[in-house]
Amino acid sequence: DIQMTQSPSSLSASVGDKVVITCRANQSITSFLNWYQQKPGKAPKLLIYTASTLQSGVPSRFSGSGSGTDFTFTISGLLPDDFATYYCQQTHSAPPYTFGQGTKLEI
Amino acid sequence: QVQLVESGGGVVQPGRSLRLSCAASEFTFSAYGMHWVRQAPGKGLEWVGVISYDGSDRFYADSVKGRFTISRDNSKNTLYLQMNSLRVEDTAVYYCAKGRGPYTDYSYGLDVWGQGTTVTVSS
Repeated sequence: DIQMTQSPSSLSASVGDKVVITCRANQSITSFLNWYQQKPGKAPKLLIYTASTLQSGVPSRFSGSGSGTDFTFTISGLLPDDFATYYCQQTHSAPPYTFGQGTKLEI
Repeated sequence: QVQLVESGGGVVQPGRSLRLSCAASEFTFSAYGMHWVRQAPGKGLEWVGVISYDGSDRFYADSVKGRFTISRDNSKNTLYLQMNSLRVEDTAVYYCAKGRGPYTDYSYGLDVWGQGTTVTVSS
């Protein structure tokens, strides 16, 4: 099975900051990497799929890049609403479609 | 609007069974693969399994293989998760989620999620 390693596990930032989260796979997943946002007590929300494609309705301050085994997720200009936990997930070829362990973004 | 609503969670003793349901609305349910994802208290997301749009293919995480079964009734726009031989470590919020890609294309993430239903396995 493909293992996903996300870093950092937690991150402190301020409104207006740029933050970067990384996700690494233990084998190539080409570009089949997705990013989700989850707020406490709520379901996850898809932000980015296939590494860099913004889901409909998601603000452009969110972006993603990468291919193969190394991926980054960036928020440019943090807003108060962005403080949440972020997860990567690989959906390359056959299941299981594993998630990273999450990054908690805190003020 | 496009919606998924889970039900069937509760408290159950170890070794017992439980069936979760997920009712879909406002999209062509029969055209999409459907997933279950769970989240133990204070922990991250764990993918549980997926069923193809027509129910012909099912895949599971190793942690639930042989104990959990995913099924669907496209005539009722409903997804199910039958959980047998439950363990304490199955305690979690269970989410159903729609695959963003149609049919058997699972590549594009999960774009619609239910609100989750809580399963507690305890003696």
